[in-house]
Amino acid sequence: GAVVSQHPSRVICKSGTSVKIECRSLDFQATTMFWYRQFPKQSLMLMATSNEGSKATYEQGVEKDKFLINHASLTLSTLTVTSAHPEDSSFYICSARDPGPTDTQYFGPGTRLTVL
Amino acid sequence: AQSVTQLGSHVSVSEGALVLLRCNYSSSVPPYLFWYVQYPNQGLQLLLKYTSAATLVKGINGFEAEFKKSETSFHLTKPSAHMSDAAEYFCAVSGGSQGNLIFGKGTKLSVKP
Repeated sequence: GAVVSQHPSRVICKSGTSVKIECRSLDFQATTMFWYRQFPKQSLMLMATSNEGSKATYEQGVEKDKFLINHASLTLSTLTVTSAHPEDSSFYICSARDPGPTDTQYFGPGTRLTVL
Repeated sequence: AQSVTQLGSHVSVSEGALVLLRCNYSSSVPPYLFWYVQYPNQGLQLLLKYTSAATLVKGINGFEAEFKKSETSFHLTKPSAHMSDAAEYFCAVSGGSQGNLIFGKGTKLSVKP
């Protein structure tokens, strides 16, 4: 199956700093990537939809100025958590949509963010 | 609007026993349905998906699921559980407003020796 990578897999930062998470589709071009957030023992909640070459679409309640998304190419989307606070600590997972015949979403391995 | 309900947040089976994880969906259009597995601190791995072809879908690791329109169900089964099957399983339906998947709350599968 298709491969989606995320980097870093784990990051610990101090409160007030910014953290960038990269999501790459390694063997297909993804016009659409999704960013999810997962709290402990809970399901995935969609944060935003990232479309190559256009502004991301954010779900209700997600601060677009805090969670900056850039989809610079068909294989790369980045999520920047700005001025991170402890409540931003979570597991962030991206997925990339393969628009081919299968129209399947492939998920990255996730990034564990801990804000001290 | 599309939605997914997973019955049972935690299922425990003995090694070698049948695994049955339940998923019911609600969709205003013919759905695409998915089962994903998540191991601790990892992302989601696609087990199988239904895209309106055969109603019985076979996936990886010996899992399969049957789409039953009359019951709006897409239950996941495996004839014989293995210790390595212990993980969190998510059922999902396509059709979010942005083309995203809509996930159920997940079912944690424990396998006892």
